[in-house]
Amino acid sequence: QQQVKQSPQSLIVQKGGISIINCAYENTAFDYFPWYQQFPGKGPALLIAIRPDVSEKKEGRFTISFNKSAKQFSLHIMDSQPGDSATYFCAASSKAAGNKLTFGGGTRVLVKP
Amino acid sequence: GAVVSQHPSRVICKSGTSVKIECRSLDFQATTMFWYRQFPKQSLMLMATSNEGSKATYEQGVEKDKFLINHASLTLSTLTVTSAHPEDSSFYICSARRSSSNEQFFGPGTRLTVL
Repeated sequence: QQQVKQSPQSLIVQKGGISIINCAYENTAFDYFPWYQQFPGKGPALLIAIRPDVSEKKEGRFTISFNKSAKQFSLHIMDSQPGDSATYFCAASSKAAGNKLTFGGGTRVLVKP
Repeated sequence: GAVVSQHPSRVICKSGTSVKIECRSLDFQATTMFWYRQFPKQSLMLMATSNEGSKATYEQGVEKDKFLINHASLTLSTLTVTSAHPEDSSFYICSARRSSSNEQFFGPGTRLTVL
């Protein structure tokens, strides 16, 4: 059973546009929701993370929106740049389960110049 | 800070041989390290959780006798793929978690190709 569902699988956006990636989870015990960026052949890098007591968090061009009642969270990349072209993964973990991350399926983002 | 290294970055081996992958946290102590496997164009799948000084906890379906994990110190965990077969070819990634923190910092990954 996939506990974290991510959509879309792929996304094409023009330079300067907004990339939006959505994730939905099922396990209400999750208490930490990070987003990772991964370039081909590299390990994932933490972009930004949020906890369920906060509805929004912004760091530079990256914003997480969190809806606890709907069990959904999303990543917005503002002013998308060609260098943002990568695969993005949402994830979730709970302290009760040893902070093990459950990853979404990933979204391949292509930013066209 | 929070740098995690892996060695080697890529390895090619013959079927039946064993391969050891090292994961090191370079500038912090990691009480917990995790090992993931990633197939092309797929997500990361957790294989096992490694706690310093204790036996690793394996996810369902992961053979503990095939994927040997040792977490001998607060900065080093190793994954040994024993009797490797072509189906073990994959991208193996480790992560390290600081104590009292949720954040996991990932290594650059190791590309294993078994001929």
